[in-house]
Amino acid sequence: DAKTTQPPSMDCAEGRAANLPCNHSTISGNEYVYWYRQIHSQGPQYIIHGLKNNETNEMASLIITEDRKSSTLILPHATLRDTAVYYCIVSNPGSARQLTFGSGTQLTVLP
Amino acid sequence: NAGVTQTPKFRVLKTGQSMTLLCAQDMNHEYMYWYRQDPGMGLRLIHYSVGEGTTAKGEVPDGYNVSRLKKQNFLLGLESAAPSQTSVYFCATARGDRLYGYTFGSGTRLTVV
Repeated sequence: DAKTTQPPSMDCAEGRAANLPCNHSTISGNEYVYWYRQIHSQGPQYIIHGLKNNETNEMASLIITEDRKSSTLILPHATLRDTAVYYCIVSNPGSARQLTFGSGTQLTVLP
Repeated sequence: NAGVTQTPKFRVLKTGQSMTLLCAQDMNHEYMYWYRQDPGMGLRLIHYSVGEGTTAKGEVPDGYNVSRLKKQNFLLGLESAAPSQTSVYFCATARGDRLYGYTFGSGTRLTVV
């Protein structure tokens, strides 16, 4: 699976959009981009995933560049409860769906 | 609908003792995984299963064994616990297709002294 690069930490003001970047320049054609988050010591929570097209659900939006070498997770109106470590993962769904978690981005939403 | 349930939630073991962690799911998911997370680090895959009766090694399988005799249960065993196995263990499940993400349990915090 392709590796990903994320900034170690980011801050965001409450109520503003949080834009979390992820670089995955070695991604291959059949690999998806997945985003998870982990709030404090809880189990990680699935947020969203995509292949080529931009995706949106009730939690977030995922913007994937046309060359697929990078993506951005957008939390449109961040709240204090969105403070968490966010993981960007690239994976081939055919490989037993294994996910390799890196160190992620610690997002802190400030009041 | 409980989702993914891990038992126990906390445990302290002495070096050399054995124990089994249980992961139970009621979502009829095909795939199940065991991860460990050390302080300040990301999750690392220990073992996984793509269906009842199957298991496979992940990134850090040494010192652990697993079994999936029933589709809904995935057991992680430590035969002779070592202090290096002090960690938080997470179980996860997934459907066999790509349409959904993993569902994680709440974790088991294990300390080996």
